[in-house]
Amino acid sequence: NAGVTQTPKFQVLKTGQSMTLQCAQDMNHEYMSWYRQDPGMGLRLIHYSVGAGITDQGEVPNGYNVSRSTTEDFPLRLLSAAPSQTSVYFCASSDASGSPDTQYFGPGTRLTVL
Amino acid sequence: AQSVAQPEDQVNVAEGNPLTVKCTYSVSGNPYLFWYVQYPNRGLQFLLKYITGDNLVKGSYGFEAEFNKSQTSFHLKKPSALVSDSALYFCAVREIIRSYIPTFGRGTSLIVHP
Repeated sequence: NAGVTQTPKFQVLKTGQSMTLQCAQDMNHEYMSWYRQDPGMGLRLIHYSVGAGITDQGEVPNGYNVSRSTTEDFPLRLLSAAPSQTSVYFCASSDASGSPDTQYFGPGTRLTVL
Repeated sequence: AQSVAQPEDQVNVAEGNPLTVKCTYSVSGNPYLFWYVQYPNRGLQFLLKYITGDNLVKGSYGFEAEFNKSQTSFHLKKPSALVSDSALYFCAVREIIRSYIPTFGRGTSLIVHP
């Protein structure tokens, strides 16, 4: 199993550009989520999904969109990048049954917005 | 709403000494509690969790945590610290039934000196 994969690992954008951060998991997990990590702020939840076709907002959803068309994939879209979105982004997945609540994290995407 | 507090930004300990990383939580009902570790330029890795049962939970790499309901705490402990334990540690809480996804604390940097 590859676990949770994220692409790209690094990205530099100009203000106003849009892009999609990719996240995929091969563990057949129902729950997937996106976090951003900023110094002194810890991990903050952006959006999450409890299954294909179901998404909801987290603590800091503004400026981001998500969709969940398959169990495996959960892309995060930045609509119009702003310098405040400079951060490290982590995708995570967890099983709704079996060993619930253990979150598996991807390696992260480091995004810089100029 | 669920929340978690890690009152120390940084904990310093000498190798071989016991270590404690503090965490307190707030939920309306019953909690699931977690500790994760992050090494530099990596995603978070699961250490241990409290779901139910014994208040003392044992996890990976010799770490343990004690659930204290009256003090709403879930401190992470290790009897003898290693230099390789130096990392960023995150506490997380999920309120059973009310929430699907855990909330993370701001993180505590553990530095173990040789």
